[in-house]
Amino acid sequence: GQQLNQSPQSMFIQEGEDVSMNCTSSSIFNTWLWYKQDPGEGPVLLIALYKAGELTSNGRLTAQFGITRKDSFLNISASIPSDVGIYFCAGQGDNYQLIWGAGTKLIIKP
Amino acid sequence: ETGVTQTPRHLVMGMTNKKSLKCEQHLGHNAMYWYKQSAKKPLELMFVYSLEERVENNSVPSRFSPECPNSSHLFLHLHTLQPEDSALYLCASSQEHRGAEAFFGQGTRLTVV
Repeated sequence: GQQLNQSPQSMFIQEGEDVSMNCTSSSIFNTWLWYKQDPGEGPVLLIALYKAGELTSNGRLTAQFGITRKDSFLNISASIPSDVGIYFCAGQGDNYQLIWGAGTKLIIKP
Repeated sequence: ETGVTQTPRHLVMGMTNKKSLKCEQHLGHNAMYWYKQSAKKPLELMFVYSLEERVENNSVPSRFSPECPNSSHLFLHLHTLQPEDSALYLCASSQEHRGAEAFFGQGTRLTVV
């Protein structure tokens, strides 16, 4: 079946650093979504992308829909402690089913 | 209340028990979903309901039985579960079942003993 490769699996960052994560697929997607999940909570939608090449920001977060339609990345600028959590990408293809990445866990270095 | 609400938040059940998970959405959406989330694995879609009709069932064992009495409520009935069914069960809703933007509840942490 379809799979998404999300990397890195986890990241240790210093407060104030920029963060980058990405997802790649062997299939073409029509929509890319980025979610964040805090401990004990459900995923929360951060950014939705609907067009190849689209670059969208939500505060310090910026996400892009890759021009090949097979990848997407999420950048977080000037990270703060509340950025910790697990970030998930999800892609939607022609069959409308959402395919999910395994997540990137963001951890702030003490 | 707003958004998607799930109850209970935590559930411990024996393998011979019968229990139900409840989900309620206050967003006016037409589609509702059950997902299973296990550690370090992608979210697994279990069931999709659109306008109270089940439109997708991803080869889920029959010990999981969904029910959608109306567009705002979704249940997951559980019976004779196995320890490997222990996971976080997430409910989500979207405007319509082909829509990508899903809104999630906080989940029910299920432990089968």
